[in-house]
Amino acid sequence: QKEVEQNSGPLSVPEGAIASLNCTYSDRGSQSFFWYRQYSGKSPELIMSIYSNGDKEDGRFTAQLNKASQYVSLLIRDSQPSDSATYLCAGIIQGAQKLVFGQGTRLTINP
Amino acid sequence: DAGVIQSPRHEVTEMGQEVTLRCKPISGHDYLFWYRQTMMRGLELLIYFNNNVPIDDSGMPEDRFSAKMPNASFSTLKIQPSEPRDSAVYFCASSRRGTGPEAFFGQGTRLTVV
Repeated sequence: QKEVEQNSGPLSVPEGAIASLNCTYSDRGSQSFFWYRQYSGKSPELIMSIYSNGDKEDGRFTAQLNKASQYVSLLIRDSQPSDSATYLCAGIIQGAQKLVFGQGTRLTINP
Repeated sequence: DAGVIQSPRHEVTEMGQEVTLRCKPISGHDYLFWYRQTMMRGLELLIYFNNNVPIDDSGMPEDRFSAKMPNASFSTLKIQPSEPRDSAVYFCASSRRGTGPEAFFGQGTRLTVV
């Protein structure tokens, strides 16, 4: 089992709808999780960090962490075509003490 | 600041040749990371440095890969000899903090080994 897993998609969502991206992790001791956005041909860009159970909101983005179930999610409200990108989930794996990335989910927002 | 600068942006080389990728981190960042991204394996950490010293190289796939950081403003990742399976996008990133979640990534070097 990979340390951080994501459904690679593609995920297609109509403009204005909520896009929901999910990620699971294997190390129960992991504490910190991050979402990166990567446009095609570009480098990853950090968009959200979450360190404790519950929700964290930043504009149209909400990150959710559920440590009991070992999953992390990212919700994008009022999705826009400019949100079309690959979203990478990453966690600091306690045992390895380094940042481990999931495979990424390709998201397409349809006008 | 110009951000993390990588060169070259694209490299095509023949199997068996030596390849050197270069990175200039953001000034003042004490941590430097080398990542490799492929469709099959996603984004993988190869090695990272703190204050020019290699801290964790457990992600370096084979002895054919080596990385150096002779000073705070320059790092290289070398592959010798290169193989087709090394084809990937290689990213360099730098950060003020360890483990690098707030790291800034360079634009990457797309390596193709034929």
